[in-house]
Amino acid sequence: GNSVTQMEGPVTLSEEAFLTINCTYTATGYPSLFWYVQYPGEGLQLLLKATKADDKGSNKGFEATYRKETTSFHLEKGSVQVSDSAVYFCALSDTGGFKTIFGAGTRLFVKA
Amino acid sequence: DSGVTQTPKHLITATGQRVTLRCSPRSGDLSVYWYQQSLDQGLQFLIQYYNGEERAKGNILERFSAQQFPDLHSELNLSSLELGDSALYFCASSSRGGSQETQYFGPGTRLLVL
Repeated sequence: GNSVTQMEGPVTLSEEAFLTINCTYTATGYPSLFWYVQYPGEGLQLLLKATKADDKGSNKGFEATYRKETTSFHLEKGSVQVSDSAVYFCALSDTGGFKTIFGAGTRLFVKA
Repeated sequence: DSGVTQTPKHLITATGQRVTLRCSPRSGDLSVYWYQQSLDQGLQFLIQYYNGEERAKGNILERFSAQQFPDLHSELNLSSLELGDSALYFCASSSRGGSQETQYFGPGTRLLVL
């Protein structure tokens, strides 16, 4: 079945450091891929998405490229801020079953 | 603010009891999803409705049931509650439930079973 694997956290970085959170997936067909972010005490909100191979999603300085050959959708940001501290979820949504599968989440702490 | 509302915000109950969680989707959205978030299981998809009809089922226990009403609000019913049902329950909505659509999440209902 479909699955999403994210790097385990927590990830602790200093402000202005480079961020990478790895995400790989297993799916049949051509799923859509998403990164959602959950700030403390809140629900998830969409950070970015890509719906086909080689698409790059970007938002608020975050980027991720849909790589079908490596089945990956790694999240990157060039310079993190304290306000980026949150839990990040990689997710896929398959084209046939209408189910969305979420990774386990990666907690990011950014120190000033 | 995502536009998705969930009530109640917190719920404390005892084992064996039954509770109902309520969700109102964003204005215009026809599809509603329910998720359970717990420390050991992560975020698990439970069930999806589209315009009143069940569209997809995930890891939803038989003790749990849901429905979407004609006004598009949805309710998740949890019965014969066990300690392990303690979790955050999220509702999300999207326009038509397509695989490429963004899901908009509510703030969640925190359930504690004692």
